[in-house]
Amino acid sequence: GQNIDQPTEMTATEGAIVQINCTYQTSGFNGLFWYQQHAGEAPTFLSYNVLDGLEEKGRFSSFLSRSKGYSYLLLKELQMKDSASYLCAVQDSNYQLIWGAGTKLIIKP
Amino acid sequence: NAGVTQTPKFRVLKTGQSMTLLCAQDMNHEYMYWYRQDPGMGLRLIHYSVGEGTTAKGEVPDGYNVSRLKKQNFLLGLESAAPSQTSVYFCASSWTSGSAGELFFGEGSRLTVL
Repeated sequence: GQNIDQPTEMTATEGAIVQINCTYQTSGFNGLFWYQQHAGEAPTFLSYNVLDGLEEKGRFSSFLSRSKGYSYLLLKELQMKDSASYLCAVQDSNYQLIWGAGTKLIIKP
Repeated sequence: NAGVTQTPKFRVLKTGQSMTLLCAQDMNHEYMYWYRQDPGMGLRLIHYSVGEGTTAKGEVPDGYNVSRLKKQNFLLGLESAAPSQTSVYFCASSWTSGSAGELFFGEGSRLTVL
């Protein structure tokens, strides 16, 4: 079966760095997405990786290793507004998105 | 620019009642999707459409029907609601289903079935 695993919850301190991991087992691979979802709101797109390596976008970076079935989202200089759930999703061979359950990130002052 | 708009935002139904959720997008996207989101689970695809007049089943289609009569609208219907359909429903749209097919989501519709 297809599976996306990510930690349920993480806690970090304002101003610090946090890494949210995502491992996947899917039927084929056509890309990996990270979305941010604030409580009670819709998911919004953060990043997309299809090749191995690191993609940097401001305070957020996303890394992919296809051979290991592994990705992480790195958030730097954490701000209180970064408190949200972070969703990992993989496109399988049919370009269908398989979603992880999300990681709830709690930022403490 | 409204993006993706869902109506209604909240609804309470009794078991056996029917209802329709409306999704409208103004980005001229070809692809539209209906997802449900339940606690502790990833988003699950109910139905999707790759263009006007087309629909296809997703991962959890049972108990739902959809229609895409106009490119900008995607309707999700529940013919006979059940408590198991209590969930938050998200509509989304995208340019493509291929690589870099970023999804744009509506604000969600919270449905409770008693």
